[in-house]
Amino acid sequence: LAKTTQPISMDSYEGQEVNITCSHNNIATNDYITWYQQFPSQGPRFIIQGYKTKVTNEVASLFIPADRKSSTLSLPRVSLSDTAVYYCLVGDADYKLSFGAGTTVTVRA
Amino acid sequence: DGGITQSPKYLFRKEGQNVTLSCEQNLNHDAMYWYRQDPGQGLRLIYYSQIVNDFQKGDIAEGYSVSREKKESFPLTVTSAQKNPTAFYLCASSAGTGFSEQYFGPGTRLTVT
Repeated sequence: LAKTTQPISMDSYEGQEVNITCSHNNIATNDYITWYQQFPSQGPRFIIQGYKTKVTNEVASLFIPADRKSSTLSLPRVSLSDTAVYYCLVGDADYKLSFGAGTTVTVRA
Repeated sequence: DGGITQSPKYLFRKEGQNVTLSCEQNLNHDAMYWYRQDPGQGLRLIYYSQIVNDFQKGDIAEGYSVSREKKESFPLTVTSAQKNPTAFYLCASSAGTGFSEQYFGPGTRLTVT
């Protein structure tokens, strides 16, 4: 099971781009990288998932270098409502996903 | 509306009592999961089930038990053997393997005194 390392917290301002990098040095060939968002007292919500290169959807982009030992979640033009905890997960086919402590992103006006 | 429901949202129990947390999904997902979250920490996997009548221990299964008699339901029992049961409990489901998107319920906050 690949372990992930993320910054504990990040601060930003409305309208800025936020980039959160996750390290997963022991990622296996079959592992995918998934990011979730969690607001206080709620369950996490899926943001984006990727295997390699770049993935983009309506809310975020995920950049994965060729060696796949890290990944970067990019949140464009954040707003106050993007204040949340963001989790990086590396999943294998055995269902045992590991949610670390996550990165608390605080967006200020 | 498809989704996952957990009940109740808040639960209070006396120490030494067993308590069962409900989790129901109507997403027709095969896999279901239970996680525990403590203040300021990430989620830790308690149990997971890939199919009906089958379940596996996660990282912190001691003091907990589950059943999966129906595809839609995956109740979690917190037994008196769990030393620190007060926590936020989250149920999730997914369509397939471990890296499939997991859909989470709203959670149950259990307080044991």
